[in-house]
Formats: sequence, structure tokens, C-alpha cells
Amino acid sequence: DTGVSQDPRHKITKRGQNVTFRCDPISEHNRLYWYRQTLGQGPEFLTYFQNEAQLEKSRLLSDRFSAERPKGSFSTLEIQRTEQGDSAMYLCASRPAGVSSYNEQFFGPGTRLTVL
Amino acid sequence: QQQVKQSPQSLIVQKGGISIINCAYENTAFDYFPWYQQFPGKGPALLIAIRPDVSEKKEGRFTISFNKSAKQFSLHIMDSQPGDSATYFCAARIIQGAQKLVFGQGTRLTINP
Repeated sequence: DTGVSQDPRHKITKRGQNVTFRCDPISEHNRLYWYRQTLGQGPEFLTYFQNEAQLEKSRLLSDRFSAERPKGSFSTLEIQRTEQGDSAMYLCASRPAGVSSYNEQFFGPGTRLTVL
Repeated sequence: QQQVKQSPQSLIVQKGGISIINCAYENTAFDYFPWYQQFPGKGPALLIAIRPDVSEKKEGRFTISFNKSAKQFSLHIMDSQPGDSATYFCAARIIQGAQKLVFGQGTRLTINP
């Protein structure tokens, strides 16, 4: 499968624990996005990478959240001291480089986080 | 404020009927308007998209109508099938910076056989 992959698919944790999610974008896609989707809502933008550089972060991304994309390939999203309000689906999307400004974002299956 | 408002929240259509979902936006800093389809437990998948210089785009049973002056766009699904039952999201892409997507709240579509 050459699509965007995310791991794990599901994570249950206790409040106060740290969690880390991984995203593997489509090969050669240099742009990578993280979104958060709560139940019954559309995805909301969290952060954006172009290659290894994190170029934009949403105000939703509190200081408990950190994202990295070493070497411009896979990306990780870490949440420290999880809170019940962090329970959501975390989606990763990648997008190719290129001159077309209409290149679509391809989404992964998401990681569903439940904080007890 | 960069918002996209979507309606209805849920929709039930008989098999073979037309499903219509509407979206409106307030900010003009958008350059691309995609619709995504999402099945339970899956990530959103692009269904069809339109640029603001086009008033209509059709792909198979799916059509987007776009009204730039009214800042509204809609998805029409012709000959709706049970397999179309899913949640649909409209979105708008911000022109600058990350070119991130701003999503509507979603419409849960159910097609009755």
C-alpha cells in the first residue's frame, strides 16, 4: 500500500501519560500536515511541515504538543501530560511538491486517542 | 474569521434519489474547494474539488456547484446508492502559507435501499 500510514491506529492512555504517534507520508511528498478531528466535527489543522521544517502551527497546538519530521520523511506527534480533552482522531496528510497549487492532500487512516 | 459552514448535519435519501449538501464560507482567502468522503474508522478521501473560477464541475454521479458572489458551494450526488452512505465534508483551502484546509462540520448521509 503506497498511501499515508499512521501508527498506532488506536491508543488508550490514562490522563497524565505521554503518547507519541507516527505518520509515514506517501513517498516523495515533501509536505506533511497534522489535523485533529473530534467526534462529529471536521478535521482542524494542527501543524505543517515542508521537508523537515515546521513552518506553521495552530493555536490549538498547546505547549504539551510537539511534532517533528527528522530528515523530511516520517513525522511524529507527541502529547505530554495527556488530558481528557485530547481524546480525538489525529490525522496525518501529505501532499506532493510541484508547481500545481491544486495538488490534493492525501489523508492517512488516523490514530484514535482515548484518554481515560 | 476563516470558517466554512455546512448543512445539513444529517441527511436521509432514498436509493436513486439526489443528495444535496450545502456549504458557505466567509473569507475570500480561499483558492480551492474540495469535498471529502469519510467512512467510519477511515481517514477522509478526496471525492471531487473545484476552483473558484469555475461554476460547476461534474465527475460521474458527483457534481459541485459553485457561486462565488454568494460564497456558497454545494455537492449533488445523483442516483444515490447505499454505498454512498458516509460522512461528507466540504473544505476550503487557504491561499497562503501552509495552504491548510478549513473543513465544514460534516454531513452524515444515509441512503436507504
